[in-house]
Amino acid sequence: EAQVTQNPRYLITVTGKKLTVTCSQNMNHEYMSWYRQDPGLGLRQIYYSMNVEVTDKGDVPEGYKVSRKEKRNFPLILESPSPNQTSLYFCASSPRQQPSYEQYFGPGTRLTVT
Amino acid sequence: AQSVTQLGSHVSVSEGALVLLRCNYSSSVPPYLFWYVQYPNQGLQLLLKYTSAATLVKGINGFEAEFKKSETSFHLTKPSAHMSDAAEYFCAVTRNNAGNMLTFGGGTRLMVKP
Repeated sequence: EAQVTQNPRYLITVTGKKLTVTCSQNMNHEYMSWYRQDPGLGLRQIYYSMNVEVTDKGDVPEGYKVSRKEKRNFPLILESPSPNQTSLYFCASSPRQQPSYEQYFGPGTRLTVT
Repeated sequence: AQSVTQLGSHVSVSEGALVLLRCNYSSSVPPYLFWYVQYPNQGLQLLLKYTSAATLVKGINGFEAEFKKSETSFHLTKPSAHMSDAAEYFCAVTRNNAGNMLTFGGGTRLMVKP
């Protein structure tokens, strides 16, 4: 089944404790992206990647890191999480970096930082 | 810069009634527009997209949207609401020359009363 998977689905952590949220897609998509969803704000893009070893900042990159060493994986790293990073996170992928292509979303990771 | 406004963060309709979810966008170039739906505890799923082929776009589950350039709108409609339509709906627009980087609206939660 073609899909985007994220792990973990739920995570509660404490301020400053490094964490990684994994994202993997099995559709051979070039483009991958991370979003955070907050009430009333919709989804805001954190980072995106146009292909292996090519990443760039989105609208809200502060406090996050990413890497794209393999085409299928695009992990999101929070080196020192803070409470304002409590949010619902989505990974997405798309066949190409073309504006008409839809993005395919993972199921989400709900992160709570205390 | 592109932006998306969804009028009404919550919309309530009776089962069988017309569904109308409003989306207005700003874009300095012809846009690509999307409607995504998010069911509880799930990721986003594409409902439909406008890519300039036709102004009236039909999507899944009986939804459709009409692109009106003069009104900069892309409202989502469904003639008869079903209980299973209860979800959050997001309108999104691609950005200037930025591939498939999306700007999302704040979302509209649709409630369907029996």
